[in-house]
Amino acid sequence: DIQMTQSPSSLSASVGDRVTITCRASQSISNYLNWYQQRPGKAPNLLIYAASSLQSGVPSRFSGSGSGTDFTLSVSSLQPEDFATYYCQQGYSTLGTFGQGTKLEIK
Amino acid sequence: QVQLQESGPGLVKPSQTLSLTCTVSGGSINSGNYYWSWIRQPAGKGLEWIGRMYSTGSTNYNPSLKSRVSISVDTSKNQFSLRLSSVTAADTAVYYCARHGPSGSYYPWGQGTLVTVSS
Repeated sequence: DIQMTQSPSSLSASVGDRVTITCRASQSISNYLNWYQQRPGKAPNLLIYAASSLQSGVPSRFSGSGSGTDFTLSVSSLQPEDFATYYCQQGYSTLGTFGQGTKLEIK
Repeated sequence: QVQLQESGPGLVKPSQTLSLTCTVSGGSINSGNYYWSWIRQPAGKGLEWIGRMYSTGSTNYNPSLKSRVSISVDTSKNQFSLRLSSVTAADTAVYYCARHGPSGSYYPWGQGTLVTVSS
């Protein structure tokens, strides 16, 4: 199985800050890397697919980069609605494993 | 646009079979060559892929659950279903259905349904 490791597990930031979350795969997954935002009590919402493509309707302050085993999700200027948990997920293998999540909290 | 909605019992007894249905609206389940998946999330924990079904009816399952899980489709009702046998408290979770998107992503998702395994 391909293991996905996110860092940090939690992050405190303020409105207007720029933040970056990292995701590392246990083997190369090319660019088959997707990012989700999950607010409490809600289903995950796709933000970024194929490492760097912005899902329709997602604000442009979200961006993704990387290939192979190392990937990042960046938010350029945090808004109040961005405080949530973020998950990476590899779509390279049938068993589409997720990272453990990064909880973004208000400082 | 395609929307998904999970339904089924919210309480299942240990050793029994969990059965959930995902109803798809806004599009046909057997058109467009999509995979359709079940994913679960225990309270306060991460996401676990359970299995998927292709529009033709072929299936793939998480090896950790393969001996207990079955996914089937009812194209006449535009639904696909999950059955998980011999459940224990460890199977208590919010269960989501989702369609596959680009790059093996999951989009869209249903709202999720909480299933509690308890006597």
